[in-house]
Amino acid sequence: EAAVTQSPRSKVAVTGGKVTLSCHQTNNHDYMYWYRQDTGHGLRLIHYSYVADSTEKGDIPDGYKASRPSQENFSLILELASLSQTAVYFCASRDWGASQNTLYFGAGTRLSVL
Amino acid sequence: GDSVTQTEGQVALSEEDFLTIHCNYSASGYPALFWYVQYPGEGPQFLFRASRDKEKGSSRGFEATYDKGTTSFHLRKASVQESDSAVYYCALGLHNTNTGKLTFGDGTVLTVKP
Repeated sequence: EAAVTQSPRSKVAVTGGKVTLSCHQTNNHDYMYWYRQDTGHGLRLIHYSYVADSTEKGDIPDGYKASRPSQENFSLILELASLSQTAVYFCASRDWGASQNTLYFGAGTRLSVL
Repeated sequence: GDSVTQTEGQVALSEEDFLTIHCNYSASGYPALFWYVQYPGEGPQFLFRASRDKEKGSSRGFEATYDKGTTSFHLRKASVQESDSAVYYCALGLHNTNTGKLTFGDGTVLTVKP
């Protein structure tokens, strides 16, 4: 069964530290996305990628970097973590041309920055 | 920019009650509209979509009709069950881009009591 797997599932980080969130998909999809979810708010797009070795900025990219070393893997990097980046982060994938914008999400990573 | 507004932040019902969650959108182009559902500890799951005016989307007893005139896509279910308790997100995606980006509403927490 196709899947999007995120690791770690939860993480506690210190302010100013570096955090890397990882995502692996077995969907064979071209597009991958990182969304952020805050309590009581919807999901907001941070970065996305449609091909390996290339990433694009989403709606709220400040303070985040992304890396797509292969079709299957997509990472989100917080170089200097801040308190305001405490949130749940979701990775998703989408097949180009098919599924008509249907995104397949991972289970999420809960990040707490202290 | 594009936006989605869900009127109800929380809805509490009893089993067999009728459900309505209101969703209104604002978009620069002609969007596709979606409903996603998120169960505790999981990522959002695609429920259904509609691509054009007057089209009805449906799945698992839930349905919504695309109304371009009132810019709405309200979610309805005739008889809810306890297992329907979850967070429901309305979202839009524009046809004229190929990013697959979705813009989400803030979500509605549905609690169904037995």
